[in-house]
Amino acid sequence: NAGVTQTPKFRVLKTGQSMTLLCAQDMNHEYMYWYRQDPGMGLRLIHYSVGEGTTAKGEVPDGYNVSRLKKQNFLLGLESAAPSQTSVYFCASSGASGRAGYNEQFFGPGTRLTVL
Amino acid sequence: GENVEQHPSTLSVQEGDSAVIKCTYSDSASNYFPWYKQELGKRPQLIIDIRSNVGEKKDQRIAVTLNKTAKHFSLHITETQPEDSAVYFCAAKLSFGAGTTVTVRA
Repeated sequence: NAGVTQTPKFRVLKTGQSMTLLCAQDMNHEYMYWYRQDPGMGLRLIHYSVGEGTTAKGEVPDGYNVSRLKKQNFLLGLESAAPSQTSVYFCASSGASGRAGYNEQFFGPGTRLTVL
Repeated sequence: GENVEQHPSTLSVQEGDSAVIKCTYSDSASNYFPWYKQELGKRPQLIIDIRSNVGEKKDQRIAVTLNKTAKHFSLHITETQPEDSAVYFCAAKLSFGAGTTVTVRA
Protein backbone atom coordinates (compact mmCIF):
# COMPACT_ATOMS: atom_id res chain seq x y z
CA ASN A 1 0.00 0.00 0.00
CA ALA A 2 1.24 3.46 -0.87
CA GLY A 3 -0.64 5.09 2.03
CA VAL A 4 -1.10 8.81 1.43
CA THR A 5 0.55 10.36 -1.61
CA GLN A 6 0.77 13.98 -2.72
CA THR A 7 1.43 15.56 -6.10
CA PRO A 8 3.54 17.58 -6.78
CA LYS A 9 6.40 17.49 -4.25
CA PHE A 10 7.66 20.99 -5.09
CA ARG A 11 6.20 23.93 -6.94
CA VAL A 12 7.12 27.55 -7.56
CA LEU A 13 4.35 29.95 -8.56
CA LYS A 14 4.21 33.61 -9.41
CA THR A 15 1.74 35.83 -7.59
CA GLY A 16 -1.70 35.49 -9.13
CA GLN A 17 -1.16 32.07 -10.68
CA SER A 18 -3.39 29.16 -9.84
CA MET A 19 -2.65 25.53 -9.08
CA THR A 20 -4.15 22.34 -7.69
CA LEU A 21 -2.52 19.99 -5.20
CA LEU A 22 -3.62 16.38 -5.38
CA CYS A 23 -3.86 14.02 -2.43
CA ALA A 24 -4.64 10.33 -2.80
CA GLN A 25 -5.05 7.58 -0.19
CA ASP A 26 -5.48 3.85 -0.62
CA MET A 27 -6.58 3.01 2.94
CA ASN A 28 -10.31 3.48 2.31
CA HIS A 29 -10.39 6.28 4.89
CA GLU A 30 -13.51 8.38 5.25
CA TYR A 31 -11.83 11.54 6.54
CA MET A 32 -9.24 13.61 4.69
CA TYR A 33 -7.51 16.85 5.64
CA TRP A 34 -5.32 19.61 4.26
CA TYR A 35 -2.86 21.41 6.54
CA ARG A 36 -0.22 24.02 6.04
CA GLN A 37 2.97 24.07 8.10
CA ASP A 38 4.89 27.26 8.71
CA PRO A 39 7.95 27.64 10.97
CA GLY A 40 6.98 27.94 14.63
CA MET A 41 3.26 27.58 13.95
CA GLY A 42 2.68 23.86 13.89
CA LEU A 43 0.09 22.42 11.55
CA ARG A 44 -2.92 24.56 10.73
CA LEU A 45 -6.04 23.02 9.23
CA ILE A 46 -7.15 24.55 5.93
CA HIS A 47 -10.12 22.38 4.92
CA TYR A 48 -11.26 18.87 5.66
CA SER A 49 -13.75 16.29 4.46
CA VAL A 50 -15.67 13.65 6.39
CA GLY A 51 -16.83 11.80 3.30
CA GLU A 52 -17.08 11.77 -0.45
CA GLY A 53 -18.84 14.90 -1.71
CA THR A 54 -18.51 16.79 1.60
CA THR A 55 -16.04 19.49 2.64
CA ALA A 56 -15.73 21.87 5.59
CA LYS A 57 -13.61 24.88 6.49
CA GLY A 58 -10.79 24.64 8.95
CA GLU A 59 -8.81 27.27 10.80
CA VAL A 60 -7.25 29.04 7.77
CA PRO A 61 -9.51 28.48 4.72
CA ASP A 62 -9.23 31.87 3.00
CA GLY A 63 -7.64 31.74 -0.45
CA TYR A 64 -8.11 27.98 -0.81
CA ASN A 65 -10.82 25.71 -2.20
CA VAL A 66 -11.18 21.94 -2.02
CA SER A 67 -13.09 19.13 -3.65
CA ARG A 68 -13.71 15.50 -2.73
CA LEU A 69 -15.34 13.98 -5.78
CA LYS A 70 -13.93 10.52 -5.08
CA LYS A 71 -13.40 8.95 -1.67
CA GLN A 72 -9.71 8.34 -2.29
CA ASN A 73 -8.86 11.84 -3.56
CA PHE A 74 -8.85 15.27 -1.95
CA LEU A 75 -7.85 18.27 -4.06
CA LEU A 76 -6.64 21.62 -2.76
CA GLY A 77 -6.86 24.60 -5.10
CA LEU A 78 -5.26 28.01 -5.00
CA GLU A 79 -7.13 30.32 -7.36
CA SER A 80 -4.81 33.32 -7.14
CA ALA A 81 -1.59 32.55 -5.28
CA ALA A 82 -0.11 35.08 -2.87
CA PRO A 83 3.34 35.15 -1.21
CA SER A 84 1.60 34.52 2.15
CA GLN A 85 0.67 31.07 0.83
CA THR A 86 4.32 30.04 0.67
CA SER A 87 4.37 27.02 2.94
CA VAL A 88 4.65 23.26 3.20
CA TYR A 89 1.27 21.61 2.61
CA PHE A 90 0.42 18.27 4.15
CA CYS A 91 -2.53 16.08 3.31
CA ALA A 92 -3.72 13.49 5.81
CA SER A 93 -6.41 10.86 6.13
CA SER A 94 -8.02 8.93 8.96
CA GLY A 95 -10.72 6.40 9.53
CA ALA A 96 -14.20 7.47 10.62
CA SER A 97 -14.58 7.51 14.38
CA GLY A 98 -18.14 8.46 15.24
CA ARG A 99 -18.61 9.47 18.85
CA ALA A 100 -15.12 8.32 19.78
CA GLY A 101 -13.71 11.49 18.29
CA TYR A 102 -11.00 11.54 15.69
CA ASN A 103 -8.54 8.75 14.92
CA GLU A 104 -4.87 8.58 14.02
CA GLN A 105 -4.05 10.69 11.00
CA PHE A 106 -1.76 9.34 8.29
CA PHE A 107 0.15 12.09 6.55
CA GLY A 108 1.42 12.42 3.02
CA PRO A 109 5.04 13.45 2.30
CA GLY A 110 4.17 17.12 1.85
CA THR A 111 4.32 19.67 -0.97
CA ARG A 112 6.70 22.59 -0.70
CA LEU A 113 5.12 25.60 -2.38
CA THR A 114 6.87 28.90 -3.01
CA VAL A 115 4.96 31.91 -4.28
CA LEU A 116 7.12 34.69 -5.68
CA GLY B 1 -13.24 25.80 18.35
CA GLU B 2 -10.34 24.10 20.03
CA ASN B 3 -7.17 25.94 21.13
CA VAL B 4 -4.05 23.95 21.95
CA GLU B 5 -0.98 25.40 23.65
CA GLN B 6 2.27 23.45 23.84
CA HIS B 7 5.33 24.03 26.06
CA PRO B 8 8.24 24.27 25.88
CA SER B 9 8.99 25.27 22.29
CA THR B 10 12.51 23.86 22.53
CA LEU B 11 13.99 21.23 24.84
CA SER B 12 17.60 20.10 25.08
CA VAL B 13 18.35 17.01 27.16
CA GLN B 14 21.39 14.87 27.87
CA GLU B 15 21.22 11.38 26.39
CA GLY B 16 19.69 9.05 28.94
CA ASP B 17 17.70 11.79 30.69
CA SER B 18 13.93 12.22 30.50
CA ALA B 19 11.98 14.74 28.43
CA VAL B 20 8.51 16.08 29.24
CA ILE B 21 6.29 18.14 26.96
CA LYS B 22 2.99 19.57 28.13
CA CYS B 23 -0.10 20.65 26.22
CA THR B 24 -3.26 22.38 27.35
CA TYR B 25 -6.55 22.46 25.47
CA SER B 26 -9.70 24.53 25.75
CA ASP B 27 -12.64 22.41 24.58
CA SER B 28 -13.87 20.09 27.34
CA ALA B 29 -15.61 17.98 24.66
CA SER B 30 -12.28 16.90 23.16
CA ASN B 31 -11.76 13.19 23.75
CA TYR B 32 -8.79 12.12 21.61
CA PHE B 33 -5.24 13.35 22.23
CA PRO B 34 -2.48 12.19 19.86
CA TRP B 35 1.22 12.96 19.79
CA TYR B 36 3.10 13.12 16.50
CA LYS B 37 6.83 13.07 15.84
CA GLN B 38 8.28 14.84 12.83
CA GLU B 39 11.87 14.30 11.82
CA LEU B 40 13.60 16.92 9.70
CA GLY B 41 12.17 16.97 6.19
CA LYS B 42 9.75 14.14 6.91
CA ARG B 43 6.02 13.83 7.49
CA PRO B 44 4.49 13.78 11.00
CA GLN B 45 3.87 10.27 12.35
CA LEU B 46 1.84 9.17 15.34
CA ILE B 47 3.89 7.91 18.27
CA ILE B 48 1.23 7.56 20.95
CA ASP B 49 -2.34 8.63 21.62
CA ILE B 50 -4.82 8.57 24.47
CA ARG B 51 -8.57 8.78 24.73
CA SER B 52 -10.42 10.55 27.49
CA ASN B 53 -11.54 7.40 29.26
CA VAL B 54 -8.00 6.63 30.48
CA GLY B 55 -5.49 8.67 32.46
CA GLU B 56 -2.21 7.20 31.28
CA LYS B 57 -0.84 5.10 28.46
CA LYS B 58 2.65 3.69 27.98
CA ASP B 59 4.55 2.27 25.04
CA GLN B 60 8.10 1.27 25.89
CA ARG B 61 10.01 4.53 26.59
CA ILE B 62 7.15 6.88 25.88
CA ALA B 63 4.05 7.61 27.92
CA VAL B 64 1.19 10.07 27.82
CA THR B 65 -0.80 11.30 30.80
CA LEU B 66 -4.13 13.08 30.67
CA ASN B 67 -5.79 15.31 33.23
CA LYS B 68 -9.29 16.06 31.94
CA THR B 69 -10.20 18.23 34.89
CA ALA B 70 -7.28 20.56 34.29
CA LYS B 71 -7.48 20.07 30.51
CA HIS B 72 -3.87 19.18 29.97
CA PHE B 73 -1.92 16.20 28.73
CA SER B 74 1.78 15.46 28.67
CA LEU B 75 4.29 13.38 26.74
CA HIS B 76 7.04 11.68 28.71
CA ILE B 77 10.12 10.20 27.04
CA THR B 78 12.47 8.25 29.29
CA GLU B 79 16.07 7.19 28.65
CA THR B 80 16.32 9.57 25.69
CA GLN B 81 18.42 8.52 22.71
CA PRO B 82 19.83 10.55 19.77
CA GLU B 83 17.06 9.21 17.50
CA ASP B 84 14.51 10.94 19.75
CA SER B 85 15.73 14.28 18.37
CA ALA B 86 12.79 15.66 16.37
CA VAL B 87 9.83 18.02 16.55
CA TYR B 88 6.90 16.75 18.59
CA PHE B 89 3.33 17.93 18.15
CA CYS B 90 0.32 17.41 20.39
CA ALA B 91 -3.23 17.72 19.11
CA ALA B 92 -6.81 17.87 20.30
CA LYS B 93 -9.61 17.44 17.77
CA LEU B 94 -8.09 18.97 14.62
CA SER B 95 -5.97 21.62 16.36
CA PHE B 96 -2.24 21.11 16.74
CA GLY B 97 0.18 22.64 19.18
CA ALA B 98 3.01 24.76 17.78
CA GLY B 99 5.52 21.98 18.33
CA THR B 100 8.50 21.25 20.58
CA THR B 101 11.95 20.81 19.09
CA VAL B 102 13.73 18.16 21.14
CA THR B 103 17.50 17.85 20.91
CA VAL B 104 19.23 14.94 22.62
CA ARG B 105 22.88 15.71 23.40
CA ALA B 106 25.30 12.80 23.24
